[in-house]
Amino acid sequence: NAGVTQTPKFRVLKTGQSMTLLCAQDMNHEYMYWYRQDPGMGLRLIHYSVGEGTTAKGEVPDGYNVSRLKKQNFLLGLESAAPSQTSVYFCASRLGPTTSGANVLTFGAGSRLTVL
Amino acid sequence: AQSVTQPDIHITVSEGASLELRCNYSYGATPYLFWYVQSPGQGLQLLLKYFSGDTLVQGIKGFEAEFKRSQSSFNLRKPSVHWSDAAEYFCAVGAGDKIIFGKGTRLHILP
Repeated sequence: NAGVTQTPKFRVLKTGQSMTLLCAQDMNHEYMYWYRQDPGMGLRLIHYSVGEGTTAKGEVPDGYNVSRLKKQNFLLGLESAAPSQTSVYFCASRLGPTTSGANVLTFGAGSRLTVL
Repeated sequence: AQSVTQPDIHITVSEGASLELRCNYSYGATPYLFWYVQSPGQGLQLLLKYFSGDTLVQGIKGFEAEFKRSQSSFNLRKPSVHWSDAAEYFCAVGAGDKIIFGKGTRLHILP
């Protein structure tokens, strides 16, 4: 029962480098989300997906791309990293559009990214 | 578009005192509402949620929250805080497909 797994947990990049963060969930959830957390800013939604093959922009999508080729995986890409993208990134998933009380976010442990 | 406001960035209370953390949301329809807690260096833990029905919801660790539609609020309360409650608390609103978080309130506990 792994839940939501993020890899890598830590990464240091130089400005202009690219990288991909992987989020994997084993709960058969339809919806998946990428957030970034910065001091004093809370969690801000970057992109999200409501099912395999779908993606949508959140509050702060610029500089990021995502893909959901398989239902269980949601990838977050940085094509040309900038120091402003230094942050802790959280992936989360939930069942889907149901109004069931079980439809809450399950979070990964986070990925700390530093861009020099 | 939905939004969440947590007016208090920091709150300090004495151990054993009561606590209320404020949360106001903006959304046109009935939202889903959540409170999460994050201890330093840790991930986020769900304290409680509101989807429908009874507007007073009970959560873990002795927390409760009340949904007030007329005030667009979902304030978190605890009758007596413990030193272990020191953490950052996030209110979140779910509307449609998105779930949006507030900026958080950091709770400090005085011994």
